[in-house]
Amino acid sequence: DIQLTQSPSFLSASVGDSVTITCRTSQGIGGSLAWYQQKPGKAPKLLIFGASTLQSGVPSRFSGRGSGTEFTLTISSLQPEDFAAYYCQQLNSYPLTFGGGTKVEIK
Amino acid sequence: QVQLVESGGGVVQPGRSLRLSCAASGFTFNNFGIHWVRQAPGKGLEWVAVISSDGSNKIYADSVKGRFTISRDNSKNTLYLQMSSLRAEDTAVYYCAKGFYSRSSFLFGMDVWGQGTTITVSS
Repeated sequence: DIQLTQSPSFLSASVGDSVTITCRTSQGIGGSLAWYQQKPGKAPKLLIFGASTLQSGVPSRFSGRGSGTEFTLTISSLQPEDFAAYYCQQLNSYPLTFGGGTKVEIK
Repeated sequence: QVQLVESGGGVVQPGRSLRLSCAASGFTFNNFGIHWVRQAPGKGLEWVAVISSDGSNKIYADSVKGRFTISRDNSKNTLYLQMSSLRAEDTAVYYCAKGFYSRSSFLFGMDVWGQGTTITVSS
């Protein structure tokens, strides 16, 4: 199984800050990576697929980069509604796996 | 609108069985593979199973293989998860999620999620 390691697991930031979350995979997956946002008590929401393609309706302050084994999600100017948990997911092979998550909280 | 609605959750004793349902609307259900994903209390996301659009292919996580069965009824636009030999570690919110595919049928992710249904396995 492909393991995904997200860092940091917790991040404290202020509105307007730029933050970056990293996801590393245990083997190369090309660009087969998605990012999700999850707010408390809600289902995950797809933000980015194919490592760098923004899902329709997602604000352009979100961006994804990477290929192979290292990927990043950047939020360029944090807004109040961005405080949530973020998960990466590999879609290269089954079983599909998620990273452990990064919780972004207000400083 | 495009929607998935899960049902069937509840409290169940260890070793017992339960069936979850996921009703789809607003899209052509039989064109898409559908997944189950779960989240234990305070934990991250865990992929559970997938079924192909026509129901012919099914893949499971090792943690549920042999105990859970995914199925679908395309005439009813409904997905199911039959869970047996339930364990305490199966306690979680269970989500169904629609696969999001490229034109060449490559899986990009999961673009529509239900609200989740909670399973608690406890004596």
